[in-house]
Amino acid sequence: DAKTTQPNSMESNEEEPVHLPCNHSTISGTDYIHWYRQLPSQGPEYVIHGLTSNVNNRMASLAIAEDRKSSTLILHRATLRDAAVYYCILRALNSGGSNYKLTFGKGTLLTVNP
Amino acid sequence: DTGVSQDPRHKITKRGQNVTFRCDPISEHNRLYWYRQTLGQGPEFLTYFQNEAQLEKSRLLSDRFSAERPKGSFSTLEIQRTEQGDSAMYLCASRPQSLWNTGELFFGEGSRLTVL
Repeated sequence: DAKTTQPNSMESNEEEPVHLPCNHSTISGTDYIHWYRQLPSQGPEYVIHGLTSNVNNRMASLAIAEDRKSSTLILHRATLRDAAVYYCILRALNSGGSNYKLTFGKGTLLTVNP
Repeated sequence: DTGVSQDPRHKITKRGQNVTFRCDPISEHNRLYWYRQTLGQGPEFLTYFQNEAQLEKSRLLSDRFSAERPKGSFSTLEIQRTEQGDSAMYLCASRPQSLWNTGELFFGEGSRLTVL
């Protein structure tokens, strides 16, 4: 499985933008880039995903490098509720259910200061 | 609440006892997944079902572990003769089988097991 590399931790101030990086230099052409986050004492929560183009949704934006070897999750205005572990995951494109046996790393622990 | 439901949320047991966790997926989600998460680590895949069929099992799922989804709705994960190393959060997730690749796996809040 292609692997991802993320910083162990990052810190931000409330209401400021946050850029969470992820390196995935061995990504294949058919791997989707997924981001999940996990708040304390909760299960992971889907944030966003993309293949080649940048993506926006109500939670965040995903910027994907042109060579697809890295990506950045952007939280436009961090709130205290965004404090969580953020996971960057590669998921192979196929129609079977086994492609959702996601491989989580340790993720990035985001601390948001008031 | 129409999310993935897990029960119990917390379980403390003595080594050697059997425990069972239940997962109720989101209605009409025919794919169901179990993950395990130990302290400080990300979740690790254990097994998944499509309807009532268990289609894949991780090597992490030793013979003391068994998962079922008898009617293709709720699922149970049983651990026999628990060991201290089984202490973890057991997470259930579901998603529909769909031609549209929404990309989302819906997780429950997990069942935390402590083996004394």
